[in-house]
Amino acid sequence: GDSVTQMEGPVTLSEEAFLTINCTYTATGYPSLFWYVQYPGEGLQLLLKATKADDKGSNKGFEATYRKETTSFHLEKGSVQVSDSAVYFCALSASGGSNYKLTFGKGTLLTVNP
Amino acid sequence: DVKVTQSSRYLVKRTGEKVFLECVQDMDHENMFWYRQDPGLGLRLIYFSYDVKMKEKGDIPEGYSVSREKKERFSLILESASTNQTSMYLCASSTPGRAYEQYFGPGTRLTVT
Repeated sequence: GDSVTQMEGPVTLSEEAFLTINCTYTATGYPSLFWYVQYPGEGLQLLLKATKADDKGSNKGFEATYRKETTSFHLEKGSVQVSDSAVYFCALSASGGSNYKLTFGKGTLLTVNP
Repeated sequence: DVKVTQSSRYLVKRTGEKVFLECVQDMDHENMFWYRQDPGLGLRLIYFSYDVKMKEKGDIPEGYSVSREKKERFSLILESASTNQTSMYLCASSTPGRAYEQYFGPGTRLTVT
């Protein structure tokens, strides 16, 4: 079945550091890929998405590129802020995103210190 | 602003009690979901509803049931709560055309003692 593997946390960085959170996936067909973020005390919210190979999703300074050849969708940000402290989830949706079912990774806790 | 609300942020129940978790969305979304979130396991889908009175089992439906009598409201029911159902429960909603863009509520942390 479909699965998502993301790097174990927690990740602790200083403000303005470079962030990478690795995500790889296993799926049949051509899934769509997503990053969701969960800020403390809140529900998850969609951060960015990519629906086909080589697409780059971006939002709030975060980027991720859909790499079909390596089945990866790594999240990056050039300069993190304290306000980026949250749990980040990589997810996929089979059938190009029309399927309701999202398969989530286990989440990576990011803490950014001033 | 879009909103998904859940009836309680924290809930403590005893083993064997019947527990109702309520979720309401104000976006007129057709799809609604219940997940549980556990450390080291991420989010797992319990049940999904794509219309009033319609439901589908997710990955871990055992021990749970759901009810959707109105479009905006989706209830999760624990018929006889057990300690292994202690968890964070998240409700979400979406439209069929953008099923992947799910809007989540803040969660209910349920403790069963």
